[in-house]
Amino acid sequence: EPEVTQTPSHQVTQMGQEVILRCVPISNHLYFYWYRQILGQKVEFLVSFYNNEISEKSEIFDDQFSVERPDGSNFTLKIRSTKLEDSAMYFCASRGDGGYNSPLHFGNGTRLTVT
Amino acid sequence: DQQVKQNSPSLSVQEGRISILNCDYTNSMFDYFLWYKKYPAEGPTFLISISSIKDKNEDGRFTVFLNKSAKHLSLHIVPSQPGDSAVYFCAAERSGAGSYQLTFGKGTKLSVIP
Repeated sequence: EPEVTQTPSHQVTQMGQEVILRCVPISNHLYFYWYRQILGQKVEFLVSFYNNEISEKSEIFDDQFSVERPDGSNFTLKIRSTKLEDSAMYFCASRGDGGYNSPLHFGNGTRLTVT
Repeated sequence: DQQVKQNSPSLSVQEGRISILNCDYTNSMFDYFLWYKKYPAEGPTFLISISSIKDKNEDGRFTVFLNKSAKHLSLHIVPSQPGDSAVYFCAAERSGAGSYQLTFGKGTKLSVIP
């Protein structure tokens, strides 16, 4: 069964550094998402991406965050200057052209640790 | 602002018995609901969903019930198996929202005791 893949599985970075989290969504999917889960808290929406542009973003997704689909397969999340509170599991997700009424498929996540 | 609430952080059930996980929502615009299962060190895995035009959806051992008037849904697992032990997240979305983002509850950790 096709799956969403994320790399790296664990990223450690120093505060103030830039990080790029990478995702390869399921190949025929059209909607792409980033979510995050801080330890012990709920899964939170960050941003959605469709037709090569951001569809919607949450309050968490401030100017330090950006997303890009540099080619036909990758979907990246960049954090320009990491803060301690950015430490979390970051999940990429995608869904097909069913859009609404079709489930999101998640990757296994990247654990980001900011020291 | 908890639009999706899972009030039980944990649940323990004996193997073979029924597991019932509950979820409440406050946003009456939500019209599509999903359950995800999550094992440690893995991403959420889609389990089952229900549209607001239905009140029940069944898939093998898993059944989701929706009570729109009460803004409540539940996931029933019968019979429960040790491999079902995981964190279960309820999620909801509303049509016409453009990007179809999901709003998650905080999760319920299910432990199935052999």
